[in-house]
Order: sequence, then structure tokens, then C-alpha cells
Amino acid sequence: QSALTQPPSASGSPGQSVTISCTGTSSDVGGYNFVSWYQQHPGKAPKVMIYEVSKRPSGVPDRFSGSKSGNTASLTVSGLQAEDEADYYCSSYGGSNNLVFGGGTKLTVL
Amino acid sequence: QVQLQESGPGLVKPSETLSLTCTVSGASISISSWSWIRQPAGKGLEWIGHIYPSGSTNYNPSLKSRLTMSVDMSKNQFSLKLSSVTAADAAVYSCARSTGDYGALFDYWGQGTLVTVSS
Repeated sequence: QSALTQPPSASGSPGQSVTISCTGTSSDVGGYNFVSWYQQHPGKAPKVMIYEVSKRPSGVPDRFSGSKSGNTASLTVSGLQAEDEADYYCSSYGGSNNLVFGGGTKLTVL
Repeated sequence: QVQLQESGPGLVKPSETLSLTCTVSGASISISSWSWIRQPAGKGLEWIGHIYPSGSTNYNPSLKSRLTMSVDMSKNQFSLKLSSVTAADAAVYSCARSTGDYGALFDYWGQGTLVTVSS
């Protein structure tokens, strides 16, 4: 099971929007609506921001949204704030009781 | 508030077995599935596997031949054993609660414990 493909980095200025992609295959991202996104600040545990493609857990700002088209899922952060600077990881159910993560994207707020 | 705490040796010799335990508080281990995830230095996350309260497991195929997970209901703990470790197994190992269909959502995580593989 190969890791999902994410861009290594993304950036935006405060107030702007940025979108991070997560590309898999029809066996994982494209085949199931079980894509999650996690935010990880340095030295901290990951925090779920989006689950089941587009659902937001309680307490996550609505500036964070998720979507999927074909084999690619996306996380959009609108109205960028300094505290959004972190690493972001996607994950997906990969069939056959497997789960797979993306390689991670470092989001920089300029 | 659900809390998870990893424990175990921080240094393991090559070819030996890595053993870690995750202690859960604030939730019963009997009502969810539980995962191990690792992160090598400077790299991304890798799902290792998860275990259900029944003891049933699902493992990452790339690690399956070396992996054993178990659960101890009496202590509200679950454990990981990874045999024949090499330098490639050095990572921060985290435990997490898996929820939702296929256990695909990790909603609570431990802080992680660094495991170094060296003689």
C-alpha cells in the first residue's frame, strides 16, 4: 500500500485561502469516503480537522473544509491565521482493512 | 477527556523486539478499536495496525510478519511488539483511538514516544 501523495509545502498570507491536495488511487481515496485530515504542530500530537471527506469535528473552525474529486481529496483553509502554520496529513481507508497516510504538507503562513 | 500515554524502552538493539504499551484513561478500552502509528524523524505518518476489544487485529501488510498487538482489559491498556527491528524502525511511536467505519478516524492520540534502534 503506497502512501498518499501530498505536496511537501504550501503557503499563503494571513486572510488568504490555501488548498492542500491528497492524491491516491481508486483503491483508497477514490474508492471510499473515509478521508481524514490531521493538523500537527511541532512536538505535538496530531489533531483531526476533517473526517469522512468533509465533516468537521466539534471545535474545529469552519475555516477548514474538505472535499474530494475522483482520486484526489483536498483540504482548504480559508482566512489563514498564524496559528494554522503546521504540518497537515491526509489519511484514507485503503480497502482490505488497511489505512494509509499521506506524506504530509508543511503549511507556512507568510 | 480521553487520554493515551505510551510507555516502553526508548532504545532497542538491532534484531531485537520493540515492545510498547499504551495506557488509556477517560474511556474504556472495551468500546473502541485502538491503533499504533509511527513517524520516522523528518518523515510522514505510517499506520502500523489496530486492535479491537475482542483481540482481533488488522496490520499494515508491510509490517505484518513482525507485528503482534494485544489488549489487556483489566489494565485498560493495549500493546505492540515489533520483532527483528532495524534502523528503519526508529521513529516516534504513537497510540491513538480509532473510530468510525474501518477505524479510519483517529480522534485521540498519545504524545508519542521516541524509539531509537542502535547497538
